[in-house]
Amino acid sequence: GENVEQHPSTLSVQEGDSAVIKCTYSDSASNYFPWYKQELGKRPQLIIDIRSNVGEKKDQRIAVTLNKTAKHFSLHITETQPEDSAVYFCAASKGSASKIIFGSGTRLSIRP
Amino acid sequence: GAVVSQHPSWVICKSGTSVKIECRSLDFQATTMFWYRQFPKQSLMLMATSNEGSKATYEQGVEKDKFLINHASLTLSTLTVTSAHPEDSSFYICSARAGAGTGELFFGEGSRLTVL
Repeated sequence: GENVEQHPSTLSVQEGDSAVIKCTYSDSASNYFPWYKQELGKRPQLIIDIRSNVGEKKDQRIAVTLNKTAKHFSLHITETQPEDSAVYFCAASKGSASKIIFGSGTRLSIRP
Repeated sequence: GAVVSQHPSWVICKSGTSVKIECRSLDFQATTMFWYRQFPKQSLMLMATSNEGSKATYEQGVEKDKFLINHASLTLSTLTVTSAHPEDSSFYICSARAGAGTGELFFGEGSRLTVL
């Protein structure tokens, strides 16, 4: 089955700097890659997603890139702010109706 | 966005008893719901896929007789932890997609189970 690996497990960046989280997946049939943000004590929420027919997607300060050949995708957060502090999960799925397998998570801390 | 509600948010039970957790889609119909388990500071581990009107599909290593899933309607899925033991203590969270072709998963609030 699908296996998603995520790095780093923790990340601390200075406010205003950029943060990058990387993930790899094992199943070449996966074609949908969402990223979720989970704040302490709250449920995960989708922040951005990308499908395999696109190499990059951007939404304000957040961007995701996908390299299908290498089977890896990354989350980029620019101009980080204190409210970006949370746990971020990458995930992979074989389609919009299929199960979603999550990476191990990255705890992002923004230093003031 | 779509709303998924989970109940109870927390439960404490004695070892050997069974506990039922409900997951409801409040403003949409969900033919498929997903049950995850999350240990402290760890990832979301998929336990099973709940299919309305049919048997759930369990992930490898998840005991189907231990974690009973019923999806009797398009808005309700239940997870019953049978004969609970302390090692079953965890955070259980359900999720669902709001429509066909929609990738986004909407999560419930989660249920924290503590087995004494």
